[in-house]
Amino acid sequence: EIVLTQSPGTLSLSPGERATLSCRASQSFSSSNLAWYQQKPGQAPRLLIYGASSRATGIPDRFSGSGSGTDFTLTISRLEPEDFAVYYCQQYGNSPLTFGGGTKVEIK
Amino acid sequence: QLQLQESGPRLVKPSETLSLTCTVSGGSISSSSSYWGWIRQPPGKGLEWIGTVYYGGTTYYNPSLKSRLTISVDTPNNHFSLKLTSVTAADTAVYYCARLSPHFDWLLSYFDFWGQGTLVTVSS
Repeated sequence: EIVLTQSPGTLSLSPGERATLSCRASQSFSSSNLAWYQQKPGQAPRLLIYGASSRATGIPDRFSGSGSGTDFTLTISRLEPEDFAVYYCQQYGNSPLTFGGGTKVEIK
Repeated sequence: QLQLQESGPRLVKPSETLSLTCTVSGGSISSSSSYWGWIRQPPGKGLEWIGTVYYGGTTYYNPSLKSRLTISVDTPNNHFSLKLTSVTAADTAVYYCARLSPHFDWLLSYFDFWGQGTLVTVSS
């Protein structure tokens, strides 16, 4: 099983600042098979990024993904008020599918 | 726009069977290369993949749940279902159904549409 470790657990930032979220895998896998989701309280996760760097339909270009091998990054270039949420990475190239533990982006 | 909706009992007694159905609207569950999945989230915790089903009936389960799990698909009624037996308090969670992005290989697919989720509590 591929274990995904996200860091930091919590990121305290102000609107307008840049957020950098990390997702590290316990073993290397194809970078084509890494997704990022955003989850707000009481809501289902929403797909942001797939294939490590491709934005899903309707996702603003302030969200970007990068990385390969075992290290992946989600960057939010300038935080908007609606971006404060929990973010999860997920690998889908190997069974069982696994998610990271999440990074909470909170208002400083 | 594709929509998914979970339904089923919100309270299940320990040792009994948890049963949920996901109804798909705005699209056909039997579209080509359509895989459908269940994911759960214990209160205040992260996401766990439960299992995936192909519209033709092939299933893929998380090994941690496999011995208690059955996922099935009902194409005429455009829904798929989850049954988890011998539940304990550890199975208390929000259960989500979701679609995997269309692809001939489910391991090349991510979750692109999600239901709103339903909280199932295991308690006597």
